[in-house]
Amino acid sequence: EPEVTQTPSHQVTQMGQEVILRCVPISNHLYFYWYRQILGQKVEFLVSFYNNEISEKSEIFDDQFSVERPDGSNFTLKIRSTKLEDSAMYFCASRVGQGESRGNTIYFGEGSWLTVV
Amino acid sequence: QKEVEQNSGPLSVPEGAIASLNCTYSDRGSQSFFWYRQYSGKSPELIMSIYSNGDKEDGRFTAQLNKASQYVSLLIRDSQPSDSATYLCAVLSSGGSYIPTFGRGTSLIVHP
Repeated sequence: EPEVTQTPSHQVTQMGQEVILRCVPISNHLYFYWYRQILGQKVEFLVSFYNNEISEKSEIFDDQFSVERPDGSNFTLKIRSTKLEDSAMYFCASRVGQGESRGNTIYFGEGSWLTVV
Repeated sequence: QKEVEQNSGPLSVPEGAIASLNCTYSDRGSQSFFWYRQYSGKSPELIMSIYSNGDKEDGRFTAQLNKASQYVSLLIRDSQPSDSATYLCAVLSSGGSYIPTFGRGTSLIVHP
């Protein structure tokens, strides 16, 4: 079964450093997302991406965050200058976005644990 | 503000019992509803989706949707210890924004 893959699975970084989290969405999917989940808290939406541009973003997704689709397969989240409070699990997700209601189902990757020290 | 509410639990049930998980949502125009299971430290895994009023069954799982009451539930029959996890309700609202809003999740513990 096709799946969303993410790398790295775990990254430890020093405060102020830049981090890039990578994702390969399911191949026929058209909509891509980044969510994050701080330990013990709810899954929070960061940004959605469609047709090579951001379609929506949350208040969390401020100027220190950016997303890119550098080629036809990868989808990246960059955190420019990490803070302690950026420590969380970051989930990439994708959906088909076409056809019937089933196209609305979002599938998640395994996540990237980011620890900022 | 679109809200999705779940009782955080934990809900503790004995093995073999029916576990009932509930979720309410604020956006009356919501169209699609999802239940995800999340084991500790893992990503959400889709269990069920439901789009119209009534019941939808898949194996031991039944999702129930009542749009008039803005309520969606998940029943797990013959609960197993391996069902112990956090269950997330996600709601896709109306208005063309395909951003599901997640509830905080309900922790389910199935004890032998």
